[in-house]
Amino acid sequence: AQSVSQHNHHVILSEAASLELGCNYSYGGTVNLFWYVQYPGQHLQLLLKYFSGDPLVKGIKGFEAEFIKSKFSFNLRKPSVQWSDTAEYFCAVNGNTGRRALTFGSGTRLQVQP
Amino acid sequence: DAGITQSPRHKVTETGTPVTLRCHQTENHRYMYWYRQDPGHGLRLIHYSYGVKDTDKGEVSDGYSVSRSKTEDFLLTLESATSSQTSVYFCAISGEFQRGDTQYFGPGTRLTVL
Repeated sequence: AQSVSQHNHHVILSEAASLELGCNYSYGGTVNLFWYVQYPGQHLQLLLKYFSGDPLVKGIKGFEAEFIKSKFSFNLRKPSVQWSDTAEYFCAVNGNTGRRALTFGSGTRLQVQP
Repeated sequence: DAGITQSPRHKVTETGTPVTLRCHQTENHRYMYWYRQDPGHGLRLIHYSYGVKDTDKGEVSDGYSVSRSKTEDFLLTLESATSSQTSVYFCAISGEFQRGDTQYFGPGTRLTVL
């Protein structure tokens, strides 16, 4: 069975600080990896995804993530956060075969202070 | 945003009563999913569907049933609601079985079981 770990449960940053949120997964086969964001009171929105090719992927709103296969990691980064980035961030994975449902991490709540 | 609606958006019910949540999509996507979101757990899969009348269980399916009689509608039923089913329920959809296919999420239903 696949699993996803997000080590930072609650992160507080000041505006303009750099962000890195950790995500590690366990799965023996080829994976698709996703980061979703959930702004307060809203549904999940896709930030970025990786399924093949360049392991450094760029998403919306200045976010990027790097897939490091040897470390089973897919960390999310942003060089300079804004107050509007306050949200909860979820890492998710699905395998390339079988059921297409996502396995989610427990989420990281990011609070950006002005 | 993908054309996904959920109804009702909020519901308060009492223990032991049946509850049905509806997910409706206008994208003609084949795959539909029901997740529940609870603090500290991220999103967990309840049931999913890979076509009309084709459904399967997820990790937290006990106490839930689903039906899909039309491509566009996926119903989640709590036969006899319990307080442990108080949660936010999200429906998601995805297209054909291919690498990198993305799941898109509905706005969610907040269910409170008293």
